Amino acid sequence: DAGVTQSPTHLIKTRGQQVTLRCSPKSGHDTVSWYQQALGQGPQFIFQYYEEEERQRGNFPDRFSGHQFPNYSSELNVNALLLGDSALYLCASSSRVRFYEQYFGPGTRLTVT
Amino acid sequence: KQEVTQIPAALSVPEGENLVLNCSFTDSAIYNLQWFRQDPGKGLTSLLLIQSSQREQTSGRLNASLDKSSGRSTLYIAASQPGDSATYLCAAPTTVGNEKLTFGTGTRLTIIP
Repeated sequence: DAGVTQSPTHLIKTRGQQVTLRCSPKSGHDTVSWYQQALGQGPQFIFQYYEEEERQRGNFPDRFSGHQFPNYSSELNVNALLLGDSALYLCASSSRVRFYEQYFGPGTRLTVT
Repeated sequence: KQEVTQIPAALSVPEGENLVLNCSFTDSAIYNLQWFRQDPGKGLTSLLLIQSSQREQTSGRLNASLDKSSGRSTLYIAASQPGDSATYLCAAPTTVGNEKLTFGTGTRLTIIP
């Protein structure tokens, strides 16, 4: 049973560029949440997708957007990258039945230069 | 607004010692709390999930307790080993019935051989 997978593992982008990160949830899960973790900090909630719609959003600007596909996989898009967007981006999946149990993927390390 | 605090930020102990990591939260109207482990540059591994109906949860050498009335949780690690070296994060739901997690900044644990 595959857990949560994320791609790519690492990414280097230049300020102003756009980036897309991908996440496949654990088998049986239908909800995907995205978190940003800056160095030395705890993860911060970005948004959550369920039934292909954004259900909740944290305190992040509109430059951060997402999508969920019919197979429950998800993408996180960040436009007009800033140096401060450099972080580890974590995807977590859960099911509506046991929504409190979240499983995290290995993350994507984004470096903006 | 839920706030989660972990003290100390870093801890070093000799191998074989028992140790306690602390987590405090401001909104006690939660019905679960999770402890995670994070190795450098990696994703989060769920260690223990404690429901509010439980006071303790055990997995191997790990034992987590939850005291909602005082807004505190502890993670007890018995007979520490060098492989336990990692950052330990606790997370609580932002609001009741919400799977959006609020994380502490973690305790970086180093076990000295």
